[in-house]
Amino acid sequence: EIVLTQSPGTLSLSPGERATLSCRASQRVSTSYLAWYQQKPGQPPRLLIYGASSRATGIPDRFSGSGSGTDFTLTISRLEPEDFAVYYCQSYRDSQWTFGQGTKVEIK
Amino acid sequence: QVQLQESGPGLVKPSQTLSLTCTVSGGSISSDSYYWSWIRQPAGKGLEWIGRIYTSGSTSYNPSLNSRVTISLDTSKNQFSLKLTSVTAADTAVYYCARGLAAPGTRWFDPWGQGTLVTVSS
Repeated sequence: EIVLTQSPGTLSLSPGERATLSCRASQRVSTSYLAWYQQKPGQPPRLLIYGASSRATGIPDRFSGSGSGTDFTLTISRLEPEDFAVYYCQSYRDSQWTFGQGTKVEIK
Repeated sequence: QVQLQESGPGLVKPSQTLSLTCTVSGGSISSDSYYWSWIRQPAGKGLEWIGRIYTSGSTSYNPSLNSRVTISLDTSKNQFSLKLTSVTAADTAVYYCARGLAAPGTRWFDPWGQGTLVTVSS
């Protein structure tokens, strides 16, 4: 079973700042099978990034994903007010899906 | 545009069976292009994948829930369902249904239903 560890747990930043979120896997993950989601209170998760670096439909280009192997990163280049939320990474291997515990991006 | 909507009892007694249905609109659940999943989220906590089903009926489940979970399809109603037996308070969560692409190299969830809160309590 792959365990995904996200860091930091909470990121306190101001609008306009850059956010860098980390997702570390306990085993190698194919880049095809690494995704990121955004979740706001009372809403379901929304797909942001798939295949480690491809933006989902309608996702602004201030969101970018990178990484390979066991280390992956979600970067938000300039935080907009609507970007303050919880972010989850997700992996897949051998018919099993795993989520990280989430990183909360909060307003400083 | 495909949409998913969960439905079912919001309150289940301990030791009983939790049963939820996800109704798919705007697309066919019979398409070989997709798989269908259930994911849950306890209040204030992270996401836990429960299981998935392909159109063929093939299923896979989270090992931590495997002995208690059944996911099934009803193509005539364009729905898929979740049954979780012998529930305890630890099964209290918002339950989401979601769709995934079945093509090789694609294993993410999009879209998701709005979620339904299930509370396990006597």
